[in-house]
Parts: sequence; structure tokens; C-alpha cells
Amino acid sequence: AQSVAQPEDQVNVAEGNPLTVKCTYSVSGNPYLFWYVQYPNRGLQFLLKYITGDNLVKGSYGFEAEFNKSQTSFHLKKPSALVSDSALYFCAVIGAGNMLTFGGGTRLMVKP
Amino acid sequence: ETGVTQTPRHLVMGMTNKKSLKCEQHLGHNAMYWYKQSAKKPLELMFVYNFKEQTENNSVPSRFSPECPNSSHLFLHLHTLQPEDSALYLCASSPGSNQPQHFGDGTRLSIL
Repeated sequence: AQSVAQPEDQVNVAEGNPLTVKCTYSVSGNPYLFWYVQYPNRGLQFLLKYITGDNLVKGSYGFEAEFNKSQTSFHLKKPSALVSDSALYFCAVIGAGNMLTFGGGTRLMVKP
Repeated sequence: ETGVTQTPRHLVMGMTNKKSLKCEQHLGHNAMYWYKQSAKKPLELMFVYNFKEQTENNSVPSRFSPECPNSSHLFLHLHTLQPEDSALYLCASSPGSNQPQHFGDGTRLSIL
């Protein structure tokens, strides 16, 4: 069975500092990896995906993620955090079974 | 605007009521999904439809009954719900099963 782990329930960052939200996965076959963001009272919004190719993927709002096959990780990063980045972030994976599995989510709090 | 519209946005109902949640997408997608999002729990996939055919039912109680009359519309019929069914119900669609999903803003359901 495939699974996604987001080990941190919450990440606190000061505005202007770099941020990292961690994600590790377990699938059979080659993974398709995704990051989504959820703002209060809204649905999930797609940020970026890794299918194949470059291990560093760039997405919306200045976010990027690095695929590391040996560590089975797909951490979300941004060089300089904004207060408006405060939200709930979900990592997700599709493996050989073709079903999307979400992690438990990480709340990002960016303090001014 | 994600292209996936859910109505109503909020619903309060008693345990003996019957109501329906509606989801509509005009993105030309072939797959549609229902998710349940509860506080402090991972996102739970409930049902999947591909080309109007149900392909996944994740052991959802029969008091939840999905309907997909065409590729643009998805309903979730509710009957005799329990207080623990109070949650945010999210609809999503995707071009195919391994493509990014586009989410609606959800229906916040409260069971009295």
C-alpha cells in the first residue's frame, strides 16, 4: 500500500526566511508527486508536481520542491517566506495503483 | 476560481433529514471524486468516478450515496447522518486518474 508522511504538524517561519515543509512517501513503481495548499474555508489548490525529469520542480507562488529518490522525499521549499503563505500544505503521491494518497497536512505559520 | 463549483457552501441538517450535495465542473475532466475532511484527520477519499462509472468506494457507510449523471456533475445524497459525519466535503476532478486534481471549495456540513 502506498503512503505519504508529513512529519511536522506545524512549521513556524519568520517572514523573509527560507521555508521547508517535509514529505516522504512509500509507493511501488515510479511515483507521481504533488503539493497542494489549502487556505481557510477553501478547497485544495494545486501548487506543483513531479512526474519525471529534473529533480527540482518549480511551481506557483515561488514554491519549489526537490525529488530525492534515494531518500523517497519530496520536500517543499521557498527561498523567502511571506505572511500570506500561511496555510495548510498537503503532499500527495500516485503510485502503481493509480490512486492519489494524501499526507496528513502541515500547517505553515509565517510570522511578520 | 478552480473550475469546480460546490453547492451549498454550508449545510446544517438533523439526523433524520435527507439532503444532497452538488458538484459541477466544466473543465472537460473525466474523473470526479468526493473527499471528507475532518478536523485533525487526514483527507479521506470516499468515492471515485471515471467516465461516469464508480471505480472506488472506500468502505463508505450506505448513508452516503453518490450519483454521477454525466461527466460534469456529481452528487452526494445524504440520509440519516450521524454527528461524526460533520465535516468539510470536498469534490475534485481531474483529466485522468494520474493527473493533478482540481478541488471545489467544499460544503461545510454540520449534523445536529
